[in-house]
Amino acid sequence: DAGVIQSPRHEVTEMGQEVTLRCKPISGHNSLFWYRQTMMRGLELLIYFNNNVPIDDSGMPEDRFSAKMPNASFSTLKIQPSEPRDSAVYFCASSRRQGETTAGYTFGSGTRLTVV
Amino acid sequence: AQKVTQAQTEISVVEKEDVTLDCVYETRDTTYYLFWYKQPPSGELVFLIRRNSFDEQNEISGRYSWNFQKSTSSFNFTITASQVVDSAVYFCALSEAMNTGFQKLVFGTGTRLLVSP
Repeated sequence: DAGVIQSPRHEVTEMGQEVTLRCKPISGHNSLFWYRQTMMRGLELLIYFNNNVPIDDSGMPEDRFSAKMPNASFSTLKIQPSEPRDSAVYFCASSRRQGETTAGYTFGSGTRLTVV
Repeated sequence: AQKVTQAQTEISVVEKEDVTLDCVYETRDTTYYLFWYKQPPSGELVFLIRRNSFDEQNEISGRYSWNFQKSTSSFNFTITASQVVDSAVYFCALSEAMNTGFQKLVFGTGTRLLVSP
């Protein structure tokens, strides 16, 4: 089990550029979550999917953010255009149906985004 | 709405001291899950424990123990004989339960634990 894989690990981009973060969940997991961590706001949920369908995107900051899950093994989080206040660590997590795993949620290593 | 409160922002202890991290939660659901995660300086989120709302039995794992009390909506975490390697930010979290999978995980603001030699 390779765990949840996120890429890139680090991203530095200029304000106004498009940024795409990628996530590969654990095979067999049917839920996928995108979180953002900042000093000011802590860990906040941006969006999550069940069976590739977006369930709750109320945490997405604004229209500049979009997320897709075209299939069970891949998701993207896109920011266009990026702004310095988007600088944060973005985590992806996946989970199976309740009761099937002790851990519940498995987190990726995160993508540290810096917008200059 | 779900909410997790970790009132302790930062705790400093000397190695070998016992330390308890507090967690208080709010939910209207009768079935839910509680979690603790550790975030070391390297930044990853490390799963420590999951607790079901219908299981109030306390748990011990090595130097770690957890006290779940539904009557006070608390899920406290104790480290016995702390070590420098325990220095990290610890997050308590809560999620509802669904047949189709876990609902969103709501995190507390975290408690930074500093263990000095």
